[in-house]
Amino acid sequence: AQSVTQLGSHVSVSEGALVLLRCNYSSSVPPYLFWYVQYPNQGLQLLLKYTSAATLVKGINGFEAEFKKSETSFHLTKPSAHMSDAAEYFCAVARDYKLSFGAGTTVTVRA
Amino acid sequence: DVKVTQSSRYLVKRTGEKVFLECVQDMDHENMFWYRQDPGLGLRLIYFSYDVKMKEKGDIPEGYSVSREKKERFSLILESASTNQTSMYLCASSRASGGYYNEQFFGPGTRLTVL
Repeated sequence: AQSVTQLGSHVSVSEGALVLLRCNYSSSVPPYLFWYVQYPNQGLQLLLKYTSAATLVKGINGFEAEFKKSETSFHLTKPSAHMSDAAEYFCAVARDYKLSFGAGTTVTVRA
Repeated sequence: DVKVTQSSRYLVKRTGEKVFLECVQDMDHENMFWYRQDPGLGLRLIYFSYDVKMKEKGDIPEGYSVSREKKERFSLILESASTNQTSMYLCASSRASGGYYNEQFFGPGTRLTVL
């Protein structure tokens, strides 16, 4: 069964610091992987997705993620955090036309 | 601007009531989904519909049913609401063509409280 595990339910970073959110996947076949973001009182929106075209994927708002097959990981990074990055982030893996989500990581940004 | 709308942002119901949550998308998407979101559990799929009148159970369908009579509308029904169904409910839609990696577009969610 395809699933994802997000390490760390809460991450606190200073404004301008690196944001690193960890996601490991379990899949018996090459996975399709996604990162979604949920801002307060909103639905989820897509940050980026991996579809095997390139291992380094760039998304919106300066985020990127690197697919590492040897580590079964798809960690999300942003070089310099902004106050507007405070949100909950979800890693997900495609199962047919459905998605299986991780538990989520809440990011707080300190001024 | 593409949109998924949900009928209510907040809903309070009593145990045993029948509850309808409505979702409408304006993107002509074939696929529609209902998830519930709980702290520490992420999003869990309740039901999935891939065409009008077609549905498939997700991971946690117990206590829920769905209806899709028109392509743009997908309803979630709680036949007899219980307190353990207090949660945030999110609707999403996606295209069917192009493969498994199509983006899902989400509504803003309905926070349901069952007393």
